[in-house]
Amino acid sequence: GQQVMQIPQYQHVQEGEDFTTYCNSSTTLSNIQWYKQRPGGHPVFLIQLVKSGEVKKQKRLTFQFGEAKKNSSLHITATQTTDVGTYFCAGLLAGNQFYFGTGTSLTVIP
Amino acid sequence: NAGVMQNPRHLVRRRGQEARLRCSPMKGHSHVYWYRQLPEEGLKFMVYLQKENIIDESGMPKERFSAEFPKEGPSILRIQQVVRGDSAAYFCASSPDRMGEQYFGPGTRLTVT
Repeated sequence: GQQVMQIPQYQHVQEGEDFTTYCNSSTTLSNIQWYKQRPGGHPVFLIQLVKSGEVKKQKRLTFQFGEAKKNSSLHITATQTTDVGTYFCAGLLAGNQFYFGTGTSLTVIP
Repeated sequence: NAGVMQNPRHLVRRRGQEARLRCSPMKGHSHVYWYRQLPEEGLKFMVYLQKENIIDESGMPKERFSAEFPKEGPSILRIQQVVRGDSAAYFCASSPDRMGEQYFGPGTRLTVT
């Protein structure tokens, strides 16, 4: 079954509104990574979180790793049209395999 | 420093033929992952290799699929006797270590007719 769940699957926002996508695992993750994939493109690494409760910021993007290391979130403040794409989380469970979430497709309406 | 390279970018095969997908990792990266992506879906892990060794192939079908990462040359994902259901985008990613960030190639779009 799906190891890493991600919600929502789709999100449409007006330009300037905020956006959040959530990632949940039933088991503890060693670390979690976030990627962005533009339509027709390939995934591009955004950030990696390792520590329990960790919060990292990249300009308008804020990433959080839950205290139990089972969930994570990506929040974008004041979205822009350049934020369009699908955002994936990828969790590393005990072992060698990264489990990618199903992704959240973000549409920004100008 | 060139990024991850994959070729071909597009591959068309008839049912029953073989497909060979190549991936050259970033310089200095010895860890390679292969993923499969169907339209509107996420990335499904297939196999993880580290120079000359298959570390984890639990996501790869046992029949018709194989992967290698030789000491010299690119990593190869091989699909024998392709079927229509194999049509997808296949991405490889390389990493400097097991838990590090992954750098993805542009992907190979395989179409089976």
